[in-house]
Amino acid sequence: QVQLQESGPGLVKPSQTLSLTCTVSGASIYSGNYYWSWIRQPAGQGLEWIGYVYISGSTHYSPSFESRVTISLGTSNDHFSLNLYSVTAADTAVYYCARVVPDCSDGRCYGRYFDSWGQGTPVTVSS
Amino acid sequence: QSVMTQPPSVSGTPGQRVTISCSGSNSNIESNHVYWYQQLSRTAPKLLIYRSDQRPSGVPDRFSGSKSGTSASLTISGLRSEDEADYYCAAWDNTLAGSWVFGGGTKLTVL
Repeated sequence: QVQLQESGPGLVKPSQTLSLTCTVSGASIYSGNYYWSWIRQPAGQGLEWIGYVYISGSTHYSPSFESRVTISLGTSNDHFSLNLYSVTAADTAVYYCARVVPDCSDGRCYGRYFDSWGQGTPVTVSS
Repeated sequence: QSVMTQPPSVSGTPGQRVTISCSGSNSNIESNHVYWYQQLSRTAPKLLIYRSDQRPSGVPDRFSGSKSGTSASLTISGLRSEDEADYYCAAWDNTLAGSWVFGGGTKLTVL
C-alpha cells in the first residue's frame, strides 16, 4: 500500500520560496500510470489543486499558480517536490501531496482521482 | 470563490438521510465525472465516491452519489455520528488547459 509523507519548513518569509518534498513509500513513483500532485488547504477553507508531475517529468499546473510554481520528480524513485515562489501570507495553508490514479474499467477510462494522500504539512508565511 | 458551489453546512439526526449538492458548469460536472471526498477533523481527505456514483470497496452503501447536467449530489442514508465531517466534490474542468477543481466543502453536523 502506497504511503505519502510531506516534509519541509513550517515557516517561510514573504517573497521567499516555499519548498516541500513528498516522500513515497510502498511503491516507486515511476511505476504505474500515475500523476503526483500537490493540493493545499488554507485554514478554515476548502481544497485547492496546485499541479502535478507525471512520471515522464511533464507537468501541469493550475492557472492560479502556473506563473510561480514548479513541481518536479526527485533524483531517486521515491520523492517529488513543490517549489512555490514569491510567497505571501495568502499562501499560508496545509499542503498535501497526493497520488492521482486513472479511473478505468473494462478497457475504458473515465477520468482520474486522488487515491492516496499524505497527512499534510502546515506552512505559515510570515516575517 | 470556488468553481463549484456546495452548501457550507448541512445537519441531520442519527438515522436521517441528508443530501449535499454540488453545482458546477458545462466545463466541469456536465463534461466529466464527479468525485467526492470525506475529510474527518482536518485529516487527509478520503475518496468516498468515484465516477459520480461508484463506491470504492470499504465505503458503506449508506453513501451514494448522482449527477445530472451541471449538478451532482452526495446522499448519506442512515446518518451516523461518525459521518460528521467535511465533504468535498471534485471534477476536472476543461477550461483553458484544464485543471482539477473542488467545491468549497460542506460541513456535516450530526445532531
